[in-house]
Amino acid sequence: AQTVTQSQPEMSVQEAETVTLSCTYDTSESNYYLFWYKQPPSRQMILVIRQEAYKQQNATENRFSVNFQKAAKSFSLKISDSQLGDTAMYFCAFKPPRSQGNLIFGKGTKLSVKP
Amino acid sequence: DSGVTQTPKHLITATGQRVTLRCSPRSGDLSVYWYQQSLDQGLQFLIQYYNGEERAKGNILERFSAQQFPDLHSELNLSSLELGDSALYFCASGGGGGTGELFFGEGSRLTVL
Repeated sequence: AQTVTQSQPEMSVQEAETVTLSCTYDTSESNYYLFWYKQPPSRQMILVIRQEAYKQQNATENRFSVNFQKAAKSFSLKISDSQLGDTAMYFCAFKPPRSQGNLIFGKGTKLSVKP
Repeated sequence: DSGVTQTPKHLITATGQRVTLRCSPRSGDLSVYWYQQSLDQGLQFLIQYYNGEERAKGNILERFSAQQFPDLHSELNLSSLELGDSALYFCASGGGGGTGELFFGEGSRLTVL
């Protein structure tokens, strides 16, 4: 069975600084998707960034980028130039490629951006 | 706006009661997923439907059931409610195509007193 581990329950960062959130996963699949979702106090689950396992290039979306290490089964999220609006819970998630595969979430990291 | 609609947004009920949560997926999505988010358990996958048929089952209690109707909306039925069933219940759709992305509704907050 696939598992996703986020080892940092809480983190804080100063506004405009850079922070990295860690995620490791365990799977025997060779192809899959990885995601970071953000859940602000409004509780909406918002996709931050996605990575397809067959792509070696790390995904980037504006201030958000990932460090995907397939062999190490590691998928960290880097947030540059942190903003107050980045304060939220961040969930790492794994999904097999099949249409019936569901998202498997880590327990989340609570990120606080301080002014 | 994700395009996934969930009702009701908030629900307060008593132990032993039964409630129904409703979800309308994004236009064109055939899959509907239900997740439960509680403080101590994180986001737990409950069940998935694809075009009216059950496709995958996770940690769903026997007191809970779901179905997907011909118009693709889905309902999650929770019965004989217990205090521990208090949680945020999310519906999501998508999961196919080239991205595998799931689109989430705003959730239904259930409080059992």
